[in-house]
Amino acid sequence: AQRVTQPEKLLSVFKGAPVELKCNYSYSGSPELFWYVQYSRQRLQLLLRHISRESIKGFTADLNKGETSFHLKKPFAQEEDSAMYYCAPLKGGSQGNLIFGKGTKLSVKP
Amino acid sequence: SAVISQKPSRDICQRGTSLTIQCQVDSQVTMMFWYRQQPGQSLTLIATANQGSEATYESGFVIDKFPISRPNLTFSTLTVSNMSPEDSSIYLCSVRQGLEQFFGPGTRLTVL
Repeated sequence: AQRVTQPEKLLSVFKGAPVELKCNYSYSGSPELFWYVQYSRQRLQLLLRHISRESIKGFTADLNKGETSFHLKKPFAQEEDSAMYYCAPLKGGSQGNLIFGKGTKLSVKP
Repeated sequence: SAVISQKPSRDICQRGTSLTIQCQVDSQVTMMFWYRQQPGQSLTLIATANQGSEATYESGFVIDKFPISRPNLTFSTLTVSNMSPEDSSIYLCSVRQGLEQFFGPGTRLTVL
């Protein structure tokens, strides 16, 4: 079955520590992959997409086709990174549907 | 980027009644989506509402329960019909431009 898995419901780290939010997918073909973030009292917004290979707010995500993973990483977490993070493959290309993982709540402690 | 507004922002309704949620976008978009986010859960796609065609519903969602209108390229409505407490959720409107998807602020629905 096609699915996206975020194994950690909650991830708690101290400020300045590295952080990795895991995402594994099982979709046929090569889906486009995205990370979305929802800060407290804000709407859901795009954080980054794998096709652009960019770093946003210090976060990067590498697509590993062999492991079918798209983990989100940041070397030094900041308190303002505390939020809900969703891994989301775009199933079916540009006309397809964005399917969300269950999300990981990141809490960065001072 | 697209800016999306939703009305109402929240509502408390009695079971058996219906609520229509409006979604307004500040630019013309072809692809529009409706999602549901139940308490403590992730987002679940209800349907895709592209202008000029009937809405396409995901498994587990039917038109009789969630009728959708898409009269033009900037507006859509989702109706939650014959509500029960299980329909208590946040309903989100979303649009796609290119490969990026934008989300509305959500409508928080509580059914008593």
